Amino acid sequence: AQRVTQPEKLLSVFKGAPVELKCNYSYSGSPELFWYVQYSRQRLQLLLRHISRESIKGFTADLNKGETSFHLKKPFAQEEDSAMYYCALQFQGAQKLVFGQGTRLTINP
Amino acid sequence: GAGVSQSPSNKVTEKGKDVELRCDPISGHTALYWYRQSLGQGLEFLIYFQGNSAPDKSGLPSDRFSAERTGGSVSTLTIQRTQQEDSAVYLCASSPRVLKTGELFFGEGSRLTVL
Repeated sequence: AQRVTQPEKLLSVFKGAPVELKCNYSYSGSPELFWYVQYSRQRLQLLLRHISRESIKGFTADLNKGETSFHLKKPFAQEEDSAMYYCALQFQGAQKLVFGQGTRLTINP
Repeated sequence: GAGVSQSPSNKVTEKGKDVELRCDPISGHTALYWYRQSLGQGLEFLIYFQGNSAPDKSGLPSDRFSAERTGGSVSTLTIQRTQQEDSAVYLCASSPRVLKTGELFFGEGSRLTVL
């Protein structure tokens, strides 16, 4: 079965430090992978998608098919990055997303 | 409306009662999803509607859960004989007909507390 695993429920780093949120998936085909973010008192929203190879708010994520990972990274964390982050998988031909358990990121001043 | 609208935003009920949660998707979006957000479980898929096609009910946790979508727009998620483990935030999302970009537009959620 397709599955997304985020091993860290909570992650706390200091402002200016690098941050990496881990995401691993289990799927034998070619996946589409995404990161969603939910800031305090806001709606869950798309942050970035792997196929776009984009950097959003300084975050990047690289799909590693060998390790079946899609970790989210930012070199210098900012306080406004504090939020709940979800990794999501869309398997081939599917019209729904499978989400991970989420990681709550806290950036300390 | 400008975004996905859900009601009620908060619902407190007693164990054993039935509850109905409503979702009004973005105008023009034919796909509608229900997810459940709870601590420790993350975001669980419940059900997906696409136009007039048969819904994908594969995520409904038990037969106490059901959902319908009338007229291809508004959807209602019904939980019968609620249990304490049903306490969670129920999120509705919509997307254009074909989920090409992976972007779901979420509502603010309905927080359900079962006492």
